[in-house]
Amino acid sequence: EAGVAQSPRYKIIEKRQSVAFWCNPISGHATLYWYQQILGQGPKLLIQFQNNGVVDDSQLPKDRFSAERLKGVDSTLKIQPAKLEDSAVYLCASTGSSYNEQFFGPGTRLTVL
Amino acid sequence: AQSVTQPDIHITVSEGASLELRCNYSYGATPYLFWYVQSPGQGLQLLLKYFSGDTLVQGIKGFEAEFKRSQSSFNLRKPSVHWSDAAEYFCAVGGTGGYQKVTFGTGTKLQVIP
Repeated sequence: EAGVAQSPRYKIIEKRQSVAFWCNPISGHATLYWYQQILGQGPKLLIQFQNNGVVDDSQLPKDRFSAERLKGVDSTLKIQPAKLEDSAVYLCASTGSSYNEQFFGPGTRLTVL
Repeated sequence: AQSVTQPDIHITVSEGASLELRCNYSYGATPYLFWYVQSPGQGLQLLLKYFSGDTLVQGIKGFEAEFKRSQSSFNLRKPSVHWSDAAEYFCAVGGTGGYQKVTFGTGTKLQVIP
C-alpha cells in the first residue's frame, strides 16, 4: 500500500511570498491532518479534515494560512504571505480508523528568508 | 485540555545498553497513547500504540511501553539499544471515541555512542 505523499520536499522562499504544499493521503483514509513542526519541537496540529469537511482548525493562523481538501482526497496547504517564523517542516498525516493511528508523509521543509 | 510532557530533551546511551524514555500525559479519561520515531529528514513512524487491554505493549524494532494509569505515564523501553536507534522520539496522546485530536510531546533526541 502506498504511503502518504507530499510535495515538494523542500521549498525556499522570501518573506511575503506565497507558497503551497500538496498532500495525497493513503487511499481510503477519511481523515487528513496538517502539522507544523518547528525545529526542536513536536508536531503542532494546524488543521484536521474529515472527508472534505474541517474538524479542527483552531490553531491555524487564518490570516495567512488556508487549506482545502477537495473531493475528500488530496489536500493543499497555502501560506500567503509567508513570515520568517513560518520556517518549519509541514507534515501531512492520514488515518482510516477511529483509533487515531496516523500515518505520516515525509514532510515539506520550508525555509523563509 | 490534553497534553504530553517528555521531560528529557536529549539522552545519550551506549550501544547495547538499556533505554527508557519518559512520557507523562494529561487527559480526562482513558486515552489512546502512541510513540513515534523520527529519523533526520523523515516523517514520523509509529513504534507502538495503546488503546486498551494489556498495559504492556510491544512495538516494532524491539521497543515496548507500559501504560501506568496511576502515574499518567507511558514510558518507552528497549533492553539493548542499537546505533540505528539514534533518532527523535515523540510520545502522543489522543482522545477516544471517534476522530479525536492527537497531541504530541516536544520529543526526546536519542544519541547512541559506540
